[in-house]
Amino acid sequence: EPEVTQTPSHQVTQMGQEVILRCVPISNHLYFYWYRQILGQKVEFLVSFYNNEISEKSEIFDDQFSVERPDGSNFTLKIRSTKLEDSAMYFCASSEGPGGYTFGSGTRLTVV
Amino acid sequence: AQSVSQHNHHVILSEAASLELGCNYSYGGTVNLFWYVQYPGQHLQLLLKYFSGDPLVKGIKGFEAEFIKSKFSFNLRKPSVQWSDTAEYFCAVNAGNNRKLIWGLGTSLAVNP
Repeated sequence: EPEVTQTPSHQVTQMGQEVILRCVPISNHLYFYWYRQILGQKVEFLVSFYNNEISEKSEIFDDQFSVERPDGSNFTLKIRSTKLEDSAMYFCASSEGPGGYTFGSGTRLTVV
Repeated sequence: AQSVSQHNHHVILSEAASLELGCNYSYGGTVNLFWYVQYPGQHLQLLLKYFSGDPLVKGIKGFEAEFIKSKFSFNLRKPSVQWSDTAEYFCAVNAGNNRKLIWGLGTSLAVNP
């Protein structure tokens, strides 16, 4: 069964550093998403991406965040200057249409 | 604003007991409804989904859910749980043509052997 692959599985970074979280969506999917889950809280939508541009973003997704699909296969989330409160599990997902989401295994980001 | 409520945050059952996890959403229009499961140390997996048609939806591993539009509910059920069902269960909704998922807080299920 096709999978969404996320790397790394765990990233530890110092506050203020830039991090890039990587995702390889399913190859024939057209819609890409990032969600995050802070420990003990709800899974939160960050951003959706379609046709090489952001189609929707949440208020969490401020100027410190950016997404890119640099080479037609990878889908990256960059956090420019990490804060302690960015510590969370970040999930990438992709879908063909409105309902067929497939999630990756997540990247646990720890900001120290 | 759209929201999803899961009323049971922690559930403890013995094997063979029946399970029902509540999920309610707030949105007056057309919705797509999902239940995801996250086993310890693993990623989110789709259990089942409802888009349209028969409001009783059957998913993997013997789970089912019933969409009751008048109650804005999509409760998850399983007649007889197993120890391997120990996991976190999440209800999620996307509304209309909006593709983003709105999530409930999750229910932690522990099944004692």
